Amino acid sequence: GQQVMQIPQYQHVQEGEDFTTYCNSSTTLSNIQWYKQRPGGHPVFLIQLVKSGEVKKQKRLTFQFGEAKKNSSLHITATQTTDVGTYFCAGHGFSGGYNKLIFGAGTRLAVHP
Amino acid sequence: ETGVTQTPRHLVMGMTNKKSLKCEQHLGHNAMYWYKQSAKKPLELMFVYSLEERVENNSVPSRFSPECPNSSHLFLHLHTLQPEDSALYLCASSPHLITGVEQYFGPGTRLTVT
Repeated sequence: GQQVMQIPQYQHVQEGEDFTTYCNSSTTLSNIQWYKQRPGGHPVFLIQLVKSGEVKKQKRLTFQFGEAKKNSSLHITATQTTDVGTYFCAGHGFSGGYNKLIFGAGTRLAVHP
Repeated sequence: ETGVTQTPRHLVMGMTNKKSLKCEQHLGHNAMYWYKQSAKKPLELMFVYSLEERVENNSVPSRFSPECPNSSHLFLHLHTLQPEDSALYLCASSPHLITGVEQYFGPGTRLTVT
């Protein structure tokens, strides 16, 4: 079945350093979404990318969707302690008769002050 | 955020108990979902409902039984669970099932099966 792989599983950074998480799908995706889950919290939607090669920015966060629509990345510039949490990518693929959101395992980010 | 609420927030149950998890969404959405989140594993989609009709049963054991009496409420009935069923159970909703819409998650129920 369709799979979405995400790396790394876990990353430590010092506050102020940059951070990147990568997402790869086994199949072409119609779109990709990113969610953030704070420790003890629940996933919260960040953004959606739809077009091939699309790049979107939210303050210090930059999201990219690959040209083949099979991979994506999230880059955080100059991390802050408020960035701590797990970042999930989720791709929409067609499965079982409807468009299903398939989540990656997430990258857990720890930021040390 | 109070768009999607879940009760209880924590639940400890024995393997022979029967309990139910409740989810309510106040967003006017037509689609609702149950996910299981275990440590170090991707979110596992369990069930999907659209306008109160089940559209997905993702090979979930029969000891989990969903119920969607209306588009605002979703239940997960639990019986004779196993310790490996201990996890965070998340409910989510979206405006509809068509691709390209975000999902709104509730705070989850932390379930421990003893």
